[in-house]
Amino acid sequence: GAGVSQTPSNKVTEKGKYVELRCDPISGHTALYWYRQSLGQGPEFLIYFQGTGAADDSGLPNDRFFAVRPEGSVSTLKIQRTERGDSAVYLCASSLKGGTAGELFFGEGSRLTVL
Amino acid sequence: AQSVTQLGSHVSVSEGALVLLRCNYSSSVPPYLFWYVQYPNQGLQLLLKYTTGATLVKGINGFEAEFKKSETSFHLTKPSAHMSDAAEYFCAVSDIVSRNTGFQKLVFGTGTRLLVSP
Repeated sequence: GAGVSQTPSNKVTEKGKYVELRCDPISGHTALYWYRQSLGQGPEFLIYFQGTGAADDSGLPNDRFFAVRPEGSVSTLKIQRTERGDSAVYLCASSLKGGTAGELFFGEGSRLTVL
Repeated sequence: AQSVTQLGSHVSVSEGALVLLRCNYSSSVPPYLFWYVQYPNQGLQLLLKYTTGATLVKGINGFEAEFKKSETSFHLTKPSAHMSDAAEYFCAVSDIVSRNTGFQKLVFGTGTRLLVSP
């Protein structure tokens, strides 16, 4: 497809388990973002990749959260030892490099529920 | 620190009526301002943005917003609501936009759900 693809769309896991969420950005977009949207809240910035490197990871809440983008395309958000408070919709977005405040294209999100 | 306040978690209008969704921001530097819309079961989509220049910004689907620095506001309007406008709307602000990479760190409001009745 032409848009940002996120899998799985829904993930239910138990407290303490490990989770991976995948994002496939729009082809040719070098910038990739992860945001987290908790119930009743707006999206909150987690991490930004320019190419393969994490240029800004200041939004990651703690060291249980980690993200990679090894080939500069697909990205995986990894959450270790999940907690109930991690339950949220995790959004991925991509954009073209350059320009001023270019448009972010968002995926539909991965809804994570930690029991 | 930046912040965004959206007044009203829900706004109800009749089809054909004026739509007004309120957004106030806090930023220590001239901000970049955005409105995103989220239709059911879809990702966030950019409606419009203000970076520099003209303070009245026109977006898709007949929406527009005006940047008012003195009021620190960026309210979203549409003269006549359509049933298809029913969605959740998010205002966002960014004071970090890299001219080299286009990187922008958005701070979103909590959203306003627009309900349109026939």
